[in-house]
Amino acid sequence: SQQGEEDPQALSIQEGENATMNCSYKTSINNLQWYRQNSGRGLVHLILIRSNEREKHSGRLRVTLDTSKKSSSLLITASRAADTASYFCATDGGGSGNTGKLIFGQGTTLQVKP
Amino acid sequence: KAGVTQTPRYLIKTRGQQVTLSCSPISGHRSVSWYQQTPGQGLQFLFEYFSETQRNKGNFPGRFSGRQFSNSRSEMNVSTLELGDSALYLCASSLPQARNGYTFGSGTRLTVV
Repeated sequence: SQQGEEDPQALSIQEGENATMNCSYKTSINNLQWYRQNSGRGLVHLILIRSNEREKHSGRLRVTLDTSKKSSSLLITASRAADTASYFCATDGGGSGNTGKLIFGQGTTLQVKP
Repeated sequence: KAGVTQTPRYLIKTRGQQVTLSCSPISGHRSVSWYQQTPGQGLQFLFEYFSETQRNKGNFPGRFSGRQFSNSRSEMNVSTLELGDSALYLCASSLPQARNGYTFGSGTRLTVV
């Protein structure tokens, strides 16, 4: 079963505004990742944050991680119409080694209006 | 650098048939994972292969199987197709420890009629 919950399920903003998406998870993790999916295509890896990190930046993306609350947030600043997509958080389920398994949230659908 | 290649892109099959999907990972990536995406269940992990060995398996019936070849290419097979198997099937490859995350293919859209 899915362990991640994302909030909100859908978000509609104007170009230039910031978009914030939240993700909660249930088990321990080694890392948490965010992915983007455009209209039923493949997933694109955006950013990975390790369990011992609290914040990470990549371009217009800012990710925070609070392991005590088992939650993460993704902030997209100065959004563009091209950011319109579904965004998923995914965790590795903790444990040692790379088992190759990601546990995905249900995703947030972001619409950026020009 | 070529990405993860999945073939075919689209597939229509009849209930009861079987299907084989193919995934070629990024050169140098030895781990290949498979996922099923449906509107109702979202993204669910099927299995993961590394160096031709299945290391991890999700909660799917035995009709779903896979394998990996010595060149890291992977195939997944679904036998006795059911309507509920209609989905987008995604494969992903990664370096050891997935330290840079996973690279996904564009997926195979399977429709069972």
